[in-house]
Amino acid sequence: GAVVSQHPSWVICKSGTSVKIECRSLDFQATTMFWYRQFPKQSLMLMATSNEGSKATYEQGVEKDKFLINHASLTLSTLTVTSAHPEDSSFYICSASLSGDTQYFGPGTRLTVL
Amino acid sequence: QQQVKQSPQSLIVQKGGISIINCAYENTAFDYFPWYQQFPGKGPALLIAIRPDVSEKKEGRFTISFNKSAKQFSLHIMDSQPGDSATYFCAASMTMNYGGATNKLIFGTGTLLAVQP
Repeated sequence: GAVVSQHPSWVICKSGTSVKIECRSLDFQATTMFWYRQFPKQSLMLMATSNEGSKATYEQGVEKDKFLINHASLTLSTLTVTSAHPEDSSFYICSASLSGDTQYFGPGTRLTVL
Repeated sequence: QQQVKQSPQSLIVQKGGISIINCAYENTAFDYFPWYQQFPGKGPALLIAIRPDVSEKKEGRFTISFNKSAKQFSLHIMDSQPGDSATYFCAASMTMNYGGATNKLIFGTGTLLAVQP
């Protein structure tokens, strides 16, 4: 149980285009979903916290107009990187949770912006 | 302070040996301390977690030792195997009472473990 999927697993796009990443909780309903960003050989950096049906809460320094998060249902959250640039290239990971402390992480999405 | 300090940055252990990774925190409001294992190109997977009301928790070859007074906790991997080679992250969170919503995790910097055969 507690499986979280992400799609796509990797994506390459041209600079200036937008990319959407999906995060799904497959066997449970997630009250909260989180989006993280991880650069090579670094730790996970929380970008935003998303609760179903409400606006996401972004961490300090994360541009909410650039990283659009939608949490339309208890099993799906999406992250859209708008007008992507090479510096947005990173590993994006989501996590999902019913409530409390335990977060279950997705497999990640590798974004490369050319 | 919201930081969680993790050491060492990297660790090499012989097969069958004990791997020990340490973490320290400042904020005494933290009340949940999980450890995650991450393989290259994959998302983190929860290994084991502990709360401050116990000093030790063991699950198979993995043990968390928790020292509340020192504000430190550690992961011990007994009988380390080459398949344990991965990056390990400690984390901490505090109960914020968001009406049932999940608490934010603060991650350590990670430890790259290599278990040599």
